[in-house]
Amino acid sequence: DADVTQTPRNRITKTGKRIMLECSQTKGHDRMYWYRQDPGLGLRLIYYSFDVKDINKGEISDGYSVSRQAQAKFSLSLESAIPNQTALYFCATSDWLAGGSEQFFGPGTRLTVL
Amino acid sequence: EDKVVQSPLSLVVHEGDTVTLNCSYEVTNFRSLLWYKQEKKAPTFLFMLTSSGIEKKSGRLSSILDKKELSSILNITATQTGDSAIYLCAAMDSNYQLIWGAGTKLIIKP
Repeated sequence: DADVTQTPRNRITKTGKRIMLECSQTKGHDRMYWYRQDPGLGLRLIYYSFDVKDINKGEISDGYSVSRQAQAKFSLSLESAIPNQTALYFCATSDWLAGGSEQFFGPGTRLTVL
Repeated sequence: EDKVVQSPLSLVVHEGDTVTLNCSYEVTNFRSLLWYKQEKKAPTFLFMLTSSGIEKKSGRLSSILDKKELSSILNITATQTGDSAIYLCAAMDSNYQLIWGAGTKLIIKP
């Protein structure tokens, strides 16, 4: 079984719709991250959480919100989706006790906003 | 503003060739540099470099960090078609946040 899972894996939606992307992990890691990846731009950090009570904005948080429902769950919401939010979204985790260095990625969610 | 720049953006070589991928960084409170390989979907970890001048090796892949030049290289010797991927480098700051480069797309032709 995968250690970091994301649902859905693919989603097509329309402008203005509310979308939630979910991430779950069985690694027991305290830190979780949401990134988006666009061609030619690499990975950009949207939000990150160091524990359930700690949520931080990343480089490109506008238009997104997150919820850390439990140590193992971190969801990303697009309140009113727009076409330029079409991208590949990754959830990642890391372990503070192991130095917080290596991040482990989920399989990604491909989101298309029409 | 912190940034990481990779070069080249894309590279096509033949099987058996040796390739060198470059990564330069400008990061306040730099902690370490990481290399990842991205094939179909999720990036997978290759190396983390913290100390300058100490080479890390894994099979045909090796990497080294030069803190004086604010750069790192990733070498792949005797390339195989399975090495075709996007190679990402990321610099970690003191808050353990990763600043990512855009990646180098490597294509290995048989």
